[in-house]
Amino acid sequence: AQSVTQLGSHVSVSEGALVLLRCNYSSSVPPYLFWYVQYPNQGLQLLLKYTSAATLVKGINGFEAEFKKSETSFHLTKPSAHMSDAAEYFCALANTGNQFYFGTGTSLTVIP
Amino acid sequence: GAVVSQHPSWVICKSGTSVKIECRSLDFQATTMFWYRQFPKQSLMLMATSNEGSKATYEQGVEKDKFLINHASLTLSTLTVTSAHPEDSSFYICSARDAGGNQNTEAFFGQGTRLTVV
Repeated sequence: AQSVTQLGSHVSVSEGALVLLRCNYSSSVPPYLFWYVQYPNQGLQLLLKYTSAATLVKGINGFEAEFKKSETSFHLTKPSAHMSDAAEYFCALANTGNQFYFGTGTSLTVIP
Repeated sequence: GAVVSQHPSWVICKSGTSVKIECRSLDFQATTMFWYRQFPKQSLMLMATSNEGSKATYEQGVEKDKFLINHASLTLSTLTVTSAHPEDSSFYICSARDAGGNQNTEAFFGQGTRLTVV
């Protein structure tokens, strides 16, 4: 069975502080993992994806994520939060059936 | 990157009327498109998988007669909300993956449609 769990539906950080958004997955086969960002009333934009080529994946806007098989995790990080990072973030897993499984999302608030 | 265009971005309709939402892949072919519904502050709920040239596959609990899906070409899928009611008000999002891509190809999302039924 495939599933994605995002710990923490709301995360608040100060501007300039480290951003850490957690994602754990469950998959019976090697997973393909993604992080998407959603701004209000908009669709989802891809931040980065893990495709087994490298465990540390760098994405857009300074975000990166590390795939840890032993921990079944794919946490998203950014060294220094910016006001424009405030948004909803979704972790997702893709399977062989072309379907995506989404986590419940984490709302990031950046405090000036 | 690839672009998925969804139209309209927002629509207000009267209760009992029908609304059609279009989802187009602009620079790639998509044999499969997905329709999601998103409630405020919640994740995306998969409603149905739209397959080009065949019937859509609906998720459990989704009324196929209410949410009509047509995928007539490799670049266009439509979702029609029939006899809309206020409880159908929501944010609807489509997505598509490149038919020529592989398992690790990301899904591209439309910008979403905010439907309000009054």
